[in-house]
Amino acid sequence: DVKVTQSSRYLVKRTGEKVFLECVQDMDHENMFWYRQDPGLGLRLIYFSYDVKMKEKGDIPEGYSVSREKKERFSLILESASTNQTSMYLCATLGEVEQYFGPGTRLTVT
Amino acid sequence: GENVEQHPSTLSVQEGDSAVIKCTYSDSASNYFPWYKQELGKRPQLIIDIRSNVGEKKDQRIAVTLNKTAKHFSLHITETQPEDSAVYFCAANYGGSQGNLIFGKGTKLSVKP
Repeated sequence: DVKVTQSSRYLVKRTGEKVFLECVQDMDHENMFWYRQDPGLGLRLIYFSYDVKMKEKGDIPEGYSVSREKKERFSLILESASTNQTSMYLCATLGEVEQYFGPGTRLTVT
Repeated sequence: GENVEQHPSTLSVQEGDSAVIKCTYSDSASNYFPWYKQELGKRPQLIIDIRSNVGEKKDQRIAVTLNKTAKHFSLHITETQPEDSAVYFCAANYGGSQGNLIFGKGTKLSVKP
């Protein structure tokens, strides 16, 4: 079974804080993704990575950065959290065909 | 940019009825169309997918149809059950890459006993 884990299920941060969301997978998948999920907006791609140290912007990269130092770990960074970044964040990896999602991190920025 | 439109946003059916969710896409190069089901509080999970070289695929009570000319695809659930209640997302790949997906905004399906 593919396992995709995220460091926190719930996180509360203050405006202006630097926030790290971690995603770890155990299937040696090359492609990893970060989405945010908001009611009525579906899943929107923030960044993705197709190899270690490689990254590509998705549809909504503004205010975010990513890091992929090791194949199994893909981190999403909010340099200075803002209230409009309150959302559910989902990490995913790509197998042969299917994207496998992590359990999600619900981030609240106050 | 590329886009996937999904309708309806909410759907309520009686147990045993059929449910249909429709999506349209804009990228002519799209050739992979997965459907994900997300139950409340859980992660999205793939339930069925279809590639552009076929027009229909069926897996028990779930079927997906694809019309490449019209750029639309649909999810059909027959004999719905309360456990089918969830949010369903369609998606289409873009840029010729299977891994890069654009998702629809989701359909909340409620199946009433």
